[in-house]
Amino acid sequence: GIQVEQSPPDLILQEGANSTLRCNFSDSVNNLQWFHQNPWGQLINLFYIPSGTKQNGRLSATTVATERYSLLYISSSQTTDSGVYFCAVVASGGSYIPTFGRGTSLIVHP
Amino acid sequence: NAGVMQNPRHLVRRRGQEARLRCSPMKGHSHVYWYRQLPEEGLKFMVYLQKENIIDESGMPKERFSAEFPKEGPSILRIQQVVRGDSAAYFCASSPGMDQPQHFGDGTRLSIL
Repeated sequence: GIQVEQSPPDLILQEGANSTLRCNFSDSVNNLQWFHQNPWGQLINLFYIPSGTKQNGRLSATTVATERYSLLYISSSQTTDSGVYFCAVVASGGSYIPTFGRGTSLIVHP
Repeated sequence: NAGVMQNPRHLVRRRGQEARLRCSPMKGHSHVYWYRQLPEEGLKFMVYLQKENIIDESGMPKERFSAEFPKEGPSILRIQQVVRGDSAAYFCASSPGMDQPQHFGDGTRLSIL
């Protein structure tokens, strides 16, 4: 099946810093989502982005499907950004089952 | 995320008991997915259902686990004769169709004593 690798596995930032999280995948995809799992365990949809670029406030994401990666940008980070960021992809070719990466754990210090 | 409702939020069972986890999808969504998350890990797909049909259960253990999504009412994930290894967070997601964005519930944390 498709492989999904996220980097870095862990990230520690000072409030106000910017960061880039990466998601590499091993095959072509129909669907890619970014999620934030907050410290209470809730999963928040960030972006549905099989290709192209989207922005939502301080967050933006870019997926380059032909090169099999996606990037999540967090600008001016806040302590509420802490948590785990997951990338989930659906491989092309008939499957509709998402495969999740292992996530990037982000801690933002005040 | 409040649109997908899971209950209970926390469930404690003793070994050998049954656990029933419920998921009501967002309004207008007829596709439901169940995932399991172990500590420090990502989500692992278990089963994909549409109303009254199991579409893909390739991620579900062959024994003790079952899922349904009846015509009326929530989707149910049922675990019979629970063991300590079943302790995990179980998440449900729904979508309006195949290959559409999934929206997650807040999960059920299952603890086995």
